Amino acid sequence: AQKITQTQPGMFVQEKEAVTLDCTYDTSDQSYGLFWYKQPSSGEMIFLIYQGSYDEQNATEGRYSLNFQKARKSANLVISASQLGDSAMYFCAMSRYGNNRLAFGKGNQVVVIP
Amino acid sequence: KAGVTQTPRYLIKTRGQQVTLSCSPISGHRSVSWYQQTPGQGLQFLFEYFSETQRNKGNFPGRFSGRQFSNSRSEMNVSTLELGDSALYLCASSLSGYSYEQYFGPGTRLTVT
Repeated sequence: AQKITQTQPGMFVQEKEAVTLDCTYDTSDQSYGLFWYKQPSSGEMIFLIYQGSYDEQNATEGRYSLNFQKARKSANLVISASQLGDSAMYFCAMSRYGNNRLAFGKGNQVVVIP
Repeated sequence: KAGVTQTPRYLIKTRGQQVTLSCSPISGHRSVSWYQQTPGQGLQFLFEYFSETQRNKGNFPGRFSGRQFSNSRSEMNVSTLELGDSALYLCASSLSGYSYEQYFGPGTRLTVT
């Protein structure tokens, strides 16, 4: 079974500052993928970034980067230069490699303030 | 390119009724997955269809069922609705049997009274 843990309470972030969202996971799989999704109040889940378990380099996508520490089973998301439009729920998820089934964490609420 | 569409967007049903939700994936995508999102349980996987075949199934009772058509459009059905079925139902499509990019639709908000 796969388990994702996101325990941070809601966060307020100053515009233009960086924010780190914590995610730890547990799995017995050797090959897996880690994902971060953004869910604004409209409800749609927006894919942000992906990290494969065998990728040696941390993934980056624009202002998003994933700090992957395999031994610690953590996959933290870093958002640089926060914007007002970044206010949303952020979900960490994982899947077994070769499988589209995603297991999600409970999410982190982020509010960016001007 | 059009995104994933879900219909209807909002639905109100009464306990005991049944409901059918529809999901049209991005053109060319063959995999459709369904998720239920509630405040208490969070996001939970329901099932995945790929090329009209159910590939994965989550831990939901048999009242929850789905199917996929030859054009990759998918429907999910919930029979004998319970109050606890009130949720946001999201579908996600991806190009292939395994893709690190799954695109989600806007969801269908189901309220059971």
